[in-house]
Amino acid sequence: ETGVTQTPRHLVMGMTNKKSLKCEQHLGHNAMYWYKQSAKKPLELMFVYNFKEQTENNSVPSRFSPECPNSSHLFLHLHTLQPEDSALYLCASSSLGTGGYNEQFFGPGTRLTVL
Amino acid sequence: SQKIEQNSEALNIQEGKTATLTCNYTNYSPAYLQWYRQDPGRGPVFLLLIRENEKEKRKERLKVTFDTTLKQSLFHITASQPADSATYLCALDMSDSNYQLIWGAGTKLIIKP
Repeated sequence: ETGVTQTPRHLVMGMTNKKSLKCEQHLGHNAMYWYKQSAKKPLELMFVYNFKEQTENNSVPSRFSPECPNSSHLFLHLHTLQPEDSALYLCASSSLGTGGYNEQFFGPGTRLTVL
Repeated sequence: SQKIEQNSEALNIQEGKTATLTCNYTNYSPAYLQWYRQDPGRGPVFLLLIRENEKEKRKERLKVTFDTTLKQSLFHITASQPADSATYLCALDMSDSNYQLIWGAGTKLIIKP
């Protein structure tokens, strides 16, 4: 596997379910991100992990819970979601603080539908 | 706070012509400005980056300009092809301590054969 992978690609869940999204990067990057993308809206940054430490949490509701066990893996745990949480959830990675630029490499996303 | 405006209407271009997309921002200039391509159901893919002190950057058929006076970046695709049809996103990198990019909503480009 190369680049950034995400599973599952599609997820349908009820409001009372608990599920997790998984992201893995094979690029040796030190930062990972979760974004939410809704139709015709800019990418919304949810969480940033830099060297496994969460550095940003942009007022995301507690029904979204991130986990970063190491610099290659990132999870987003979901529970008691609302229909308005239906969106494309994108994971990205980048190299920070290495003298380069913050180009971000994205996974294919998980299309989430909350019923 | 910083805001980005990209044309929300789809841009229809005849194959072979040059497509030009616009990215305008409201406040202080970013250290870098990035352009990404996104195909339906896929994540964005990085294309080009231009620095604050650069006026123009080229990569094959792509050209990006950056005018800090106008607070605007233009993204050009020359000799456009139907395969160039996608949504193009611009993102500002303020190069500050929080590592966040500020994203535009993107412009959908349709290249007609």
